[in-house]
Amino acid sequence: SQTIHQWPATLVQPVGSPLSLECTVEGTSNPNLYWYRQAAGRGLQLLFYSVGIGQISSEVPQNLSASRPQDRQFILSSKKLLLSDSGFYLCAWGDRARANVLTFGAGSRLTVL
Amino acid sequence: TQLLEQSPQFLSIQEGENLTVYCNSSSVFSSLQWYRQEPGEGPVLLVTVVTGGEVKKLKRLTFQFGDARKDSSLHITAAQPGDTGLYLCAGEDGSSNTGKLIFGQGTTLQVKP
Repeated sequence: SQTIHQWPATLVQPVGSPLSLECTVEGTSNPNLYWYRQAAGRGLQLLFYSVGIGQISSEVPQNLSASRPQDRQFILSSKKLLLSDSGFYLCAWGDRARANVLTFGAGSRLTVL
Repeated sequence: TQLLEQSPQFLSIQEGENLTVYCNSSSVFSSLQWYRQEPGEGPVLLVTVVTGGEVKKLKRLTFQFGDARKDSSLHITAAQPGDTGLYLCAGEDGSSNTGKLIFGQGTTLQVKP
């Protein structure tokens, strides 16, 4: 069966520090991968998506970047965090055969102080 | 730009009551999905509706897709405290085949025992 792992679960970082959130998927190959951000108790905003290794599409201008160094690995990064980067970040994968169904990771809570 | 409007945003009811959550758009979607999310976790898919007028039942939950495929509703019968959570509707962005989902802003449901 397919599983998705996301870490760290919780992160507290000072303003100006770098960020790396990692997401890996097991049990499938060539998935679509997504990074979403969620404000408290609200809907999800798509940040990045990837349809293949090295292929990244950004949905909104921001202080973050994403990379896909391997087929089932998706990384969200920042060189210098801003206070406004605080939030709940969710990684998800989609099956190309069922491209409209997403499976989400457990999320990473980022607090920038 | 495709948007999904959910209503109500917050709902607090007593155990045993019925409720309906709405998801509306001016755009046509090829499919709509409903997710449920608990605090500190990722959303979990409840159902996907793909045919205009389609009705799907999941125990006490009834999902309906509008005839014009622009709206959907979620009806819960005899709500229980375990139904508490954030309910999100999502539609596939029809401008691409990357499986990008557009999410509503969510409905927070609290069921009091």
